[in-house]
Order: sequence, then C-alpha cells, then structure tokens
Amino acid sequence: DVKVTQSSRYLVKRTGEKVFLECVQDMDHENMFWYRQDPGLGLRLIYFSYDVKMKEKGDIPEGYSVSREKKERFSLILESASTNQTSMYLCASSTGTAYQPQHFGDGTRLSIL
Amino acid sequence: GQNIDQPTEMTATEGAIVQINCTYQTSGFNGLFWYQQHAGEAPTFLSYNVLDGLEEKGRFSSFLSRSKGYSYLLLKELQMKDSASYLCAVVDSNYQLIWGAGTKLIIKP
Repeated sequence: DVKVTQSSRYLVKRTGEKVFLECVQDMDHENMFWYRQDPGLGLRLIYFSYDVKMKEKGDIPEGYSVSREKKERFSLILESASTNQTSMYLCASSTGTAYQPQHFGDGTRLSIL
Repeated sequence: GQNIDQPTEMTATEGAIVQINCTYQTSGFNGLFWYQQHAGEAPTFLSYNVLDGLEEKGRFSSFLSRSKGYSYLLLKELQMKDSASYLCAVVDSNYQLIWGAGTKLIIKP
C-alpha cells in the first residue's frame, strides 16, 4: 500500500510566521501535489511537481512556495502566514499519467492566529 | 469556466441504496474519478471512468455519460461505515483534476 505521510496533523501558527508543511511518500511516485480543502469548496490545487526540483503552479499559488529536493519529499511553505490561510492541507502523490489515482495523506489542519 | 456540481448532503437508511450524482462542465474530458473521504481522514480512491457505461465494484458502482456530462456513484446495501463525503473529480483537457465540493452522505439506522 502507498503511504503518504504528512508531518503534522494539527498546527497552530501566528500571523507573519514562515510555516513549513512536510510530505513524504514511500512508493517512488513521480508526481506530488499540495491541496487545500475548505468547507463547501472542492479541493484546490496549490502546487504540484512532476519530478525532483520541478514545480508547477496550481490554481491558488499566491502566498505559497514549494520545494522538492528529493523524489519522496514535497514541502509546502507559507512565506508569511495570514489568517486566510487557515485551512486543511492535503498532500497527494501519484505515478504516471493523470489517469492514475492520487494517494492522499491524512492532512494537516493549520490554524493561523 | 469549469464547474462540477454535486449535492451538498444526502441521507439514506442502512441497508438501502443511494445514488450520488455529479454533473460537470469542463474544458475537455479525460476521465472522472470518485473518492471517498471519512471525516478527518484522507480521500481514498473508489473508481475511474473514461468510457460511457456502468462499472461495478462490489457494493459500489459508477456510471458515466459523456454526452450528458453526468456521472453517478451507486452504493448498495448501505452500511453505517459508508457515512462519508464522496468527491467527484474530472480530468480536463490539460490533464488537470477539477474537483467537486463533495457530497456528505449520512446513513441512519
């Protein structure tokens, strides 16, 4: 079974802080994704990566950056956290093409005070 | 714009059958996924349809009509553990996933 592990289930940070969310997958997947999930909205793609050191903007990249230095690890960075970034953050990975299902981590519920 | 519509919430009885609909308007179509997400947990893959018709997997079936921009997930012999949100997602012409907001399914005894 694919395992996608997110570093924290719950995180509380203050406005203006730099926040790091980490994600590790153990199945040698090429593709990794960061989403945020808010009530009443579908999953919204922040950034994705098709290979080491490669990154592509998703639908809502503003205020975020990412890093993929190793194939198994994909980090999401909130450069200067703001209250409107309070959300559930989900990491996912997949292999091959867009026809392959994505495998998700359990999520990080981030609160910015 | 791109749009995926699902009912926000549905209620059904244990042992019964429920159909969760998903309609989509996207720029191109390269398949449709259904995922299940229990509260506080990760979404998990249920099915992928790219051709018209019904695909059955045990108690769960998924149907697609590309001409109508329509899919449904059919759950039979409902169990309490089926209480979850069900997410519909379409692969568009750029091979990106467009997600619906999800349908929260409540199962009553």
